Amino acid sequence: AQSVSQHNHHVILSEAASLELGCNYSYGGTVNLFWYVQYPGQHLQLLLKYFSGDPLVKGIKGFEAEFIKSKFSFNLRKPSVQWSDTAEYFCAVNSAGNTGKLIFGQGTTLQVKP
Amino acid sequence: GAGVSQSPSNKVTEKGKDVELRCDPISGHTALYWYRQSLGQGLEFLIYFQGNSAPDKSGLPSDRFSAERTGGSVSTLTIQRTQQEDSAVYLCASSARSGGGRANEKLFFGSGTQLSVL
Repeated sequence: AQSVSQHNHHVILSEAASLELGCNYSYGGTVNLFWYVQYPGQHLQLLLKYFSGDPLVKGIKGFEAEFIKSKFSFNLRKPSVQWSDTAEYFCAVNSAGNTGKLIFGQGTTLQVKP
Repeated sequence: GAGVSQSPSNKVTEKGKDVELRCDPISGHTALYWYRQSLGQGLEFLIYFQGNSAPDKSGLPSDRFSAERTGGSVSTLTIQRTQQEDSAVYLCASSARSGGGRANEKLFFGSGTQLSVL
């Protein structure tokens, strides 16, 4: 069965620090990969997605993620975080041919100190 | 409406009672999903609708859970004989994905229903 693992449950950074959130998935076939974000008091929203092409994907607000197929990873990065990046981040995967069911990781809470 | 709407936003019920949770997807979105988020857990898939049919209901935890969708729009998730372990945030999402489309479309989430079973 597909699964998604996010290594960090709670990350605390100071503003301007660099961010990398780990995400690994288990599935042998072709996958689509996503990062969703939930800011305090807001809905879950899509941050970025990968389904084919360039494995380095750029999303909103300066975020990027790199798909490394050999490592089954899709880590999220940002060179310099801001206080407004404080949120919960979810990695998700689905298989390219399935009905649309997204499998989510447990989420990582990011707290950025001003 | 402009976004996915869920009601009620909060529901407190007694163990053993039935509850109904409602989801109004974005107008024109054919795909609708229900997820559950328990405290400290990730999002757990429950069921997926394409139009009024549910090609994937593999995530429903037990036969106490059921869902329907009518008119290709509103969906209702029903939990019968609620148990304390049913306490969670129930999230609905919709997307514009067509039946033959690729499974990569962006999901739009509602704000969820916080269910508390006492």
